[in-house]
Amino acid sequence: SQQGEEDPQALSIQEGENATMNCSYKTSINNLQWYRQNSGRGLVHLILIRSNEREKHSGRLRVTLDTSKKSSSLLITASRAADTASYFCATGLKLVFGKGMKLTVNP
Amino acid sequence: EAQVTQNPRYLITVTGKKLTVTCSQNMNHEYMSWYRQDPGLGLRQIYYSMNVEVTDKGDVPEGYKVSRKEKRNFPLILESPSPNQTSLYFCASSHYRDTTGELFFGEGSRLTVL
Repeated sequence: SQQGEEDPQALSIQEGENATMNCSYKTSINNLQWYRQNSGRGLVHLILIRSNEREKHSGRLRVTLDTSKKSSSLLITASRAADTASYFCATGLKLVFGKGMKLTVNP
Repeated sequence: EAQVTQNPRYLITVTGKKLTVTCSQNMNHEYMSWYRQDPGLGLRQIYYSMNVEVTDKGDVPEGYKVSRKEKRNFPLILESPSPNQTSLYFCASSHYRDTTGELFFGEGSRLTVL
């Protein structure tokens, strides 16, 4: 049972542009997490936002959480080619992952 | 260095030949989990463990076994592998998720069953 679903499934942008990814989930949560996966590698934790937080920043990352809409967004500002990866949201007691969103940043 | 180590990283085997994928973490984490990743299906949880001797099924446990005899190790056992278990497998660990909640992942084990 998928808890988080990312949208769009794929996004291609130019270096320097901002990238926004959305995640929707189904049940109440304690926190929501975002991860990045470079091709074929292990996932790397990016940021965690708790259910009582609305926004959180980490470097070029900004995450928002709207518990009334059961959705979250991840914004990557001033994207770089190195940001090319798949991005996943994860939430729920068993930390279930969505299918991921593939971001391509073109130099 | 804090890490989750999986072995083997790559394996080609044949149907029915029992195999074990090992997973070890050096962070004294309570929680460990196995996922498989398949194109178009994302990451799906196979089994997880909240603590030593405590394991539970994830979303796709059929055909797999796990054990948690020690805190640091969480091996994944395929008693009789079949071609539909060809996949990329990830082990992950976390200090109990109600605290930081961050999962640390291994580098993955790519398994092919012929």
